[in-house]
Amino acid sequence: DTGVSQDPRHKITKRGQNVTFRCDPISEHNRLYWYRQTLGQGPEFLTYFQNEAQLEKSRLLSDRFSAERPKGSFSTLEIQRTEQGDSAMYLCASSYDWTYEQYFGPGTRLTVT
Amino acid sequence: AQSVTQLDSQVPVFEEAPVELRCNYSSSVSVYLFWYVQYPNQGLQLLLKYLSGSTLVESINGFEAEFNKSQTSFHLRKPSVHISDTAEYFCAVRGPFGNEKLTFGTGTRLTIIP
Repeated sequence: DTGVSQDPRHKITKRGQNVTFRCDPISEHNRLYWYRQTLGQGPEFLTYFQNEAQLEKSRLLSDRFSAERPKGSFSTLEIQRTEQGDSAMYLCASSYDWTYEQYFGPGTRLTVT
Repeated sequence: AQSVTQLDSQVPVFEEAPVELRCNYSSSVSVYLFWYVQYPNQGLQLLLKYLSGSTLVESINGFEAEFNKSQTSFHLRKPSVHISDTAEYFCAVRGPFGNEKLTFGTGTRLTIIP
């Protein structure tokens, strides 16, 4: 069990560019969650999947954000037309089932210049 | 809707002294409670959790937390802290099935003074 992994760990992009992040959950975990953490704040929920189905999206997830989990394994989070306000740490977590705790990956730090 | 309040943004404590990090929550449904720790330059790690049963839960490194339903609190305590406990601590709450996203507090930065 290698834990939740995220790629890339850091991303610097210019405003208006599109970026995509990848998350690989712990194997056999059917739940996958995305959170965003800005400086001095706790993580905020963005969206989550049960297998390949996206079950809930936060109001924080504007139309510029899209997440997928094809085949119920890894997930991608895409941000289109990035804005400076998108600069944050994007965290992925997975859990075996809704009753179990969520395990977090190391995060992808996005800086929009 | 759920919310979590961590009353102290920073807590400095002398090494080997006791510490309490406060957490209060608000929810209209039954909740599950968690403490996560984030060491410098590392990801979030689960420290301890309350799902059901005994209201006092313990971690492997000497922390404990007590679920108090009447006071809607889940304070984190340790009788004697070490330099290695320096980290940011986040309290989080999760609802029942269908409301399983974690809602986090703003965090408490614990600084251990030698």
